[in-house]
Amino acid sequence: KNEVEQSPQNLTAQEGEFITINCSYSVGISALHWLQQHPGGGIVSLFMLSSGKKKHGRLIATINIQEKHSSLHITASHPRDSAVYICAANTDKLIFGTGTRLQVFP
Amino acid sequence: NAGVTQTPKFQVLKTGQSMTLQCAQDMNHEYMSWYRQDPGMGLRLIHYSVGAGITDQGEVPNGYNVSRSTTEDFPLRLLSAAPSQTSVYFCASSYTRLGTQYFGPGTRLLVL
Repeated sequence: KNEVEQSPQNLTAQEGEFITINCSYSVGISALHWLQQHPGGGIVSLFMLSSGKKKHGRLIATINIQEKHSSLHITASHPRDSAVYICAANTDKLIFGTGTRLQVFP
Repeated sequence: NAGVTQTPKFQVLKTGQSMTLQCAQDMNHEYMSWYRQDPGMGLRLIHYSVGAGITDQGEVPNGYNVSRSTTEDFPLRLLSAAPSQTSVYFCASSYTRLGTQYFGPGTRLLVL
């Protein structure tokens, strides 16, 4: 069993829909990262959080340390949100999930 | 600022050849890392550095060497390429070791 697991693996949505991507981890962590990998391959850090919630534009990340679970929400999704979303857990190193591929159709 | 740059973007090697993947950053970050990304797997750490002159092994270091002579540069050397090293390689830098990671654009390597 992977120490960091994401669900779903693949997700399709219509433009405007509310999106939720989940990340569960089985190890003790100091923080959790959410990353976005564009179709062209580039990786961008979206959030790093250790408790509660963070918001940036239409993106919201939450974490529940007790339940070892984090979610990334996208409100009013748009085709340009199509990407692979990756979570990574801070232990003594970064442990990456395998990613959730999101496709948003007009 | 250019951020993190990597060269080349794409490379084809024959088994047994050697090459160096270049990585540079202009953010004065002490921490730099090399990852490989393979289908169906999360990013895996190859080597990392916590400052000039200091490097350490990550999760999958075999077949790779690194050096860090300056804060800016962190090259990754493939000593004798093998088909198992076909992958996409990402260099990353950060202000703190496990802080926000800044990734380069990646190098796609094909070993025949």
